[in-house]
Amino acid sequence: GIQVEQSPPDLILQEGANSTLRCNFSDSVNNLQWFHQNPWGQLINLFYIPSGTKQNGRLSATTVATERYSLLYISSSQTTDSGVYFCAVEDDKIIFGKGTRLHILP
Amino acid sequence: NAGVTQTPKFRVLKTGQSMTLLCAQDMNHEYMYWYRQDPGMGLRLIHYSVGEGTTAKGEVPDGYNVSRLKKQNFLLGLESAAPSQTSVYFCASSPGNTQYFGPGTRLLVL
Repeated sequence: GIQVEQSPPDLILQEGANSTLRCNFSDSVNNLQWFHQNPWGQLINLFYIPSGTKQNGRLSATTVATERYSLLYISSSQTTDSGVYFCAVEDDKIIFGKGTRLHILP
Repeated sequence: NAGVTQTPKFRVLKTGQSMTLLCAQDMNHEYMYWYRQDPGMGLRLIHYSVGEGTTAKGEVPDGYNVSRLKKQNFLLGLESAAPSQTSVYFCASSPGNTQYFGPGTRLLVL
């Protein structure tokens, strides 16, 4: 089956910094999503992005399907951005990466 | 509009006991999913449904059964709970693209 690798596994940043999270996948996929799990465990969909670039406020995402990777950009980090960021890909089933744990220091 | 709700929020079972987790959504979504999340891991798909009356196996289906008798509900059953099924269970629904998650059910099997 498809392998999904996220990097880095952990990231600690000062408030106001920018960050780039990466998701690599081993085969062609039908779609790709980015999720944020906050410290209380709630999962929120950030982007549905099988290809191209999307932006939502301080967050943006780019998926290059032909090269099998996606990037999530967070600009001007805030403490509320802390949590775990997951990417998930789908061919015939949905496969999640193990996530990037982000900690924003005030 | 409650979105996706899960019942119960927390449960403790003894090995061998059975239980059913209920997921309900009020967004008229066709697709529904059950995942489990273990420490340090992403979510792993247990079973899913592409519409009322349909179910399909995900990545880790063994030890679980599901039913989708009504479009708005997706039930996850454990017939004989094992300690390896201790986990946090998340339900999600989707109109076909974006997934919307419930708050999770924390299950402890002793």
